[in-house]
Amino acid sequence: GAVVSQHPSRVICKSGTSVKIECRSLDFQATTMFWYRQFPKKSLMLMATSNEGSKATYEQGVEKDKFLINHASLTLSTLTVTSAHPEDSSFYICSARKGTGVPSNTGELFFGEGSRLTVL
Amino acid sequence: GEDVEQSLFLSVREGDSSVINCTYTDSSSTYLYWYKQEPGAGLQLLTYIFSNMDMKQDQRLTVLLNKKDKHLSLRIADTQTGDSAIYFCAESLTGRRALTFGSGTRLQVQP
Repeated sequence: GAVVSQHPSRVICKSGTSVKIECRSLDFQATTMFWYRQFPKKSLMLMATSNEGSKATYEQGVEKDKFLINHASLTLSTLTVTSAHPEDSSFYICSARKGTGVPSNTGELFFGEGSRLTVL
Repeated sequence: GEDVEQSLFLSVREGDSSVINCTYTDSSSTYLYWYKQEPGAGLQLLTYIFSNMDMKQDQRLTVLLNKKDKHLSLRIADTQTGDSAIYFCAESLTGRRALTFGSGTRLQVQP
């Protein structure tokens, strides 16, 4: 099946610094990628939809100036957490859409392994 | 509105069947999914069902959908210790490209 890779898988940073997380579709082109945030024992919360070549679409309540998303190519989307704060510590997961239709089968929506961010 | 709910925890003995339940509120769901998440890992798609189907079976997995009650279940037959994980149900809605996830059910399989 298709592969989506996230890097880094774990990152620890100090408060006030910025951290960049990459999401790559390794063997297909993804016009759309999604960034989710997962809190402990909670569901995945959709943060934003990343569209190649255009601005990301953020969900209500997600600060676009804090969580910068760039989808510069068809295989790479990045999430930058700016001025990180301990409350930003979380598990961030990206998913990439293969094709343009509804995610109706195993071949269309793939998830990365996730990136655990710890802000000290 | 979008609201997908699951029970938080399920414990079964190895060899028994597990049934994980999910309810959703939006009747415009087109597809419903079950994902598995092992500790520290991303999500793995287990199976999915189209909203006009009642049942889907895939090896040890059986998905039942009651569209009238907006209830989805995942049955795992002959549950193994390797099935221990968090299971998320998710739905895709008409006109929305992202999936909406439930809170996840932690399945613990005891030897």
